Amino acid sequence: QQPVQSPQAVILREGEDAVINCSSSKALYSVHWYRQKHGEAPVFLMILLKGGEQKGHDKISASFNEKKQQSSLYLTASQLSYSGTYFCGTEFNGSSNTGKLIFGQGTTLQVKP
Amino acid sequence: DVKVTQSSRYLVKRTGEKVFLECVQDMDHENMFWYRQDPGLGLRLIYFSYDVKMKEKGDIPEGYSVSREKKERFSLILESASTNQTSMYLCASIIGGAGSGEQYFGPGTRLTVT
Repeated sequence: QQPVQSPQAVILREGEDAVINCSSSKALYSVHWYRQKHGEAPVFLMILLKGGEQKGHDKISASFNEKKQQSSLYLTASQLSYSGTYFCGTEFNGSSNTGKLIFGQGTTLQVKP
Repeated sequence: DVKVTQSSRYLVKRTGEKVFLECVQDMDHENMFWYRQDPGLGLRLIYFSYDVKMKEKGDIPEGYSVSREKKERFSLILESASTNQTSMYLCASIIGGAGSGEQYFGPGTRLTVT
């Protein structure tokens, strides 16, 4: 039931765009996105609740397609500071009301000058 | 600022030792979690707690136990450490239930079992 992220790794030049996908085989209640820089703790980016919403701040946005049970994270005009490993965390429909997340395996993003 | 602290950043233990990893949060959060992080496998949930003295198994609880005697403190226990438990361990807390938002992570404990 671990969600599957794709791609596993991506290398970009500054200013290029990237899309990271997160797919689940179970019906989703919410999708959370986190970024972890090397040697640091994961940091929350955003949460998307079921209903097919899209969110964003600055040049990082995300969408949630409830029917496809899939979320995508969009990074536009990437900056060096975007480098890190991105994780999606999923809450399933019908799961206990604990905020428990099941995380994907991660996507490593490297932005080069 | 929300703060989640873990007792050690680095720990080296011998096979068969009993190991305690401590996590403390200062924001009165209800729910706390223990994950282990391994390359290519992401963050896998070991145990979580939704109230004092209440706990629930995650996806990989074998070889671990937990204790939550006070709201702010959640301990992970390796009863008899083995080399396959060498990993990064992350603790997290969240204010409430489903869809309630951000999990706050501690800095992690890198445990090596020799």
